[in-house]
Amino acid sequence: KNQVEQSPQSLIILEGKNCTLQCNYTVSPFSNLRWYKQDTGRGPVSLTIMTFSENTKSNGRYTATLDADTKQSSLHITASQLSDSASYICVVSAGDSWGKLQFGAGTQVVVTP
Amino acid sequence: IAGITQAPTSQILAAGRRMTLRCTQDMRHNAMYWYRQDLGLGLRLIHYSNTAGTTGKGEVPDGYSVSRANTDDFPLTLASAVPSQTSVYFCASSDSALAGWGEQFFGPGTRLTVL
Repeated sequence: KNQVEQSPQSLIILEGKNCTLQCNYTVSPFSNLRWYKQDTGRGPVSLTIMTFSENTKSNGRYTATLDADTKQSSLHITASQLSDSASYICVVSAGDSWGKLQFGAGTQVVVTP
Repeated sequence: IAGITQAPTSQILAAGRRMTLRCTQDMRHNAMYWYRQDLGLGLRLIHYSNTAGTTGKGEVPDGYSVSRANTDDFPLTLASAVPSQTSVYFCASSDSALAGWGEQFFGPGTRLTVL
């Protein structure tokens, strides 16, 4: 069973609307959580990296939140644009010395005009 | 600015053939990684290298080998390709030898189909 579960698998939103993606993880111990954006046919690109002591971090219209107690994270996209159409991947780093990365399967977001 | 380049972009390969996927980075990062990405699954680590001259096995290493002769290049070889190796392969690099502590930068990927 994947230690990083994302929901929904996919969603369609209208341009200009907001949306929130969810990430639940069971990785323990945990050191940091990352959100990546992956455009179709491209490699993932980092949006945010949060340690267990951080509750929120923003990158432009992207805001990530983290609740290390409940092992949940969310990525909020504000005022979506067509360029936000992509897969968003949640990645959790284990708290061991090397920090093995566990990748979620991603949420596919489609922004329509 | 190149970052990480991968070649080829895509390839169709007959089962049983040998294939090397190339990866080059110009950021002078010590650590490099190979992942495969399959539909409905998260990226899975195949092999990694913390620094030139060293390599390690990841989560799904069987059927793959790597070498790290220098800092910039990290080729992935399939000695005898099988259809289950059909996937999209991503190379990544990081300025930290500890996977969980540095930011990883990904290449554009190689789409491999084994028939």
